Amino acid sequence: AQSVTQPDIHITVSEGASLELRCNYSYGATPYLFWYVQSPGQGLQLLLKYFSGDTLVQGIKGFEAEFKRSQSSFNLRKPSVHWSDAAEYFCAVGGWNAGNMLTFGGGTRLMVKP
Amino acid sequence: DVKVTQSSRYLVKRTGEKVFLECVQDMDHENMFWYRQDPGLGLRLIYFSYDVKMKEKGDIPEGYSVSREKKERFSLILESASTNQTSMYLCASNQGSSYEQYFGPGTRLTVT
Repeated sequence: AQSVTQPDIHITVSEGASLELRCNYSYGATPYLFWYVQSPGQGLQLLLKYFSGDTLVQGIKGFEAEFKRSQSSFNLRKPSVHWSDAAEYFCAVGGWNAGNMLTFGGGTRLMVKP
Repeated sequence: DVKVTQSSRYLVKRTGEKVFLECVQDMDHENMFWYRQDPGLGLRLIYFSYDVKMKEKGDIPEGYSVSREKKERFSLILESASTNQTSMYLCASNQGSSYEQYFGPGTRLTVT
């Protein structure tokens, strides 16, 4: 069965600093990987996704993520964080042998200091 | 733009009440999903549906049922609400051939 681990429950960064959110997955075949963001009181919005090809994927709001098969990781990065990036971030994995199902990590809550 | 709407943003119910949460999507998606979201646990799948009148159990179906009478609408039913069902409930949908899911704004349910 697939699983996703987000090791950091909370992260606090200063505005303008760089950000990296960690995601490790377990999946028995080629994974499809996603990062979603949830602003307070809102549903989830897709930031970016990886299906195949270039292992560095660009998303919305200046985010990017890198797929590293050898490390089973799909970490999310942003070079300079803005106060509006404060939210909860979820990593998810799916694939052809999981139907249309996604398995989500526990989430990382990002706080941004002024 | 895909739009997924949920009938209520906040709901307060008493223990033992029957609760209906409704979800509507406007993009003719085949698949619809109900999740519950709890701190530290992420999203856990309750039920999903891949067609009208079809349903499959997810990871935590106990205490819940679902109904899909029309393609655009997927209802989650708590037959007898209990305090441990206090949670955020999220609905999502996607196309049959896609993995990307589109989410509604969520319903925060409190059972007292």
